[in-house]
Order: sequence, then structure tokens, then C-alpha cells
Amino acid sequence: DARVTQTPRHKVTEMGQEVTMRCQPILGHNTVFWYRQTMMQGLELLAYFRNRAPLDDSGMPKDRFSAEMPDATLATLKIQPSEPRDSAVYFCASGETPNYGYTFGSGTRLTVV
Amino acid sequence: AQSVAQPEDQVNVAEGNPLTVKCTYSVSGNPYLFWYVQYPNRGLQFLLKYITGDNLVKGSYGFEAEFNKSQTSFHLKKPSALVSDSALYFCAVSSNTGGFKTIFGAGTRLFVKA
Repeated sequence: DARVTQTPRHKVTEMGQEVTMRCQPILGHNTVFWYRQTMMQGLELLAYFRNRAPLDDSGMPKDRFSAEMPDATLATLKIQPSEPRDSAVYFCASGETPNYGYTFGSGTRLTVV
Repeated sequence: AQSVAQPEDQVNVAEGNPLTVKCTYSVSGNPYLFWYVQYPNRGLQFLLKYITGDNLVKGSYGFEAEFNKSQTSFHLKKPSALVSDSALYFCAVSSNTGGFKTIFGAGTRLFVKA
């Protein structure tokens, strides 16, 4: 089965450090989402792309977060500088448009100490 | 703006009994509705969707959901629950007027007791 690959699976970093999370969407999928999951906030939409163009990143703290798709096989989410409140599981999902349901990656569990 | 409400944090049901997990939504335009399931330490898995057509949609693992336009609801159902159905369930909505941005509910934890 085709799947969305996220790296790393786990990341522990110190406050103030830069964190980069990567996502390889399923080949042929033209839409990519980044979500953040915490116990308190549930699943929050951070950003999404269609055909590599950013459509909405209003859910993302712009001063420290950035999301890009340098090519169709790679999406990145960067946090600089990281803060303890950024600790969460970050999920990438990909799919086709119109929306027939998305495939999620296994997530990156980020801990900022 | 789109929104999804899952009014129950947790649903408890005995194995073999029917289960219902509730979801209501608000969206401009035509709704695209989804259910996903999440097992511990895993990503979300797609269960089923409603785009158009028959209001009762069937999905994976024996789950089904009923779209009710007048009540803006999309409740998830299963006739006979299994212990292995215990997981976190998310309802999600997008629309053709929202650029297909997909918003998720807060999730409902389902416990099926043997």
C-alpha cells in the first residue's frame, strides 16, 4: 500500500533550537496538509498545499513556523526557535482534489525541553 | 467558517451492542464529510466519506454513517461493536467553497467492553 512517510518519528530538542520535520506524500497526490495534535487542542490545521502552492497557513504561528514544498515529493515544516509549547505530534497527510479522503503519515512526536 | 462538533468526549458500549458516535457540522457550500479512526501511537486512518448521493454510506470495518442535511449531522454507526473498535474517532468536514480545507472535530474516544 502507498503511504505517507514522515521523518523523524521522534525528536527531542532544547528550547531555542531549530526543528525540521519532513514528509514524503504519496506519489500523484496533489494536496498536502500539516496538522498538530495535542491533548488540549486536538487536531489543529497548520498549513496546506495544493500542487505545491501554499493555500492556507493561517493556523501556523508565522513568527516561528514555516512550511514549504520544495518539490512534489517533499514537504517540510520548520520551527525556529522552538519552544516547550510546541511539543506535540505533527502529522502530514496527502490526498487528491476534490477531496476523497486523505492518507496520514505516522507523525513526528516533538518534545521541546 | 467551517466547524465540526463531536459532543461526546467518550462513548462506552458493550461488545455486540450497536454503537453511535455523534458529529454535527457547519459549512458554507456543499459539505464533504469524513470519519477517521486513530489507534494509539498511530496516524489517522480513513474510514468513510460522504460527498453526494445516498445518505447512508458504508466504510471500512463494518462502519457506516448517515448524512442528515436538515440536522447537519453525520453520525458514525456500527450494528455490533467489537473490542478491537476501541480507539479515537474523528469527524472531519471540508467543502467545495472552502478550497477543500479539512477541519477535524475534537475526537471521541470509544471504549468497547468485553
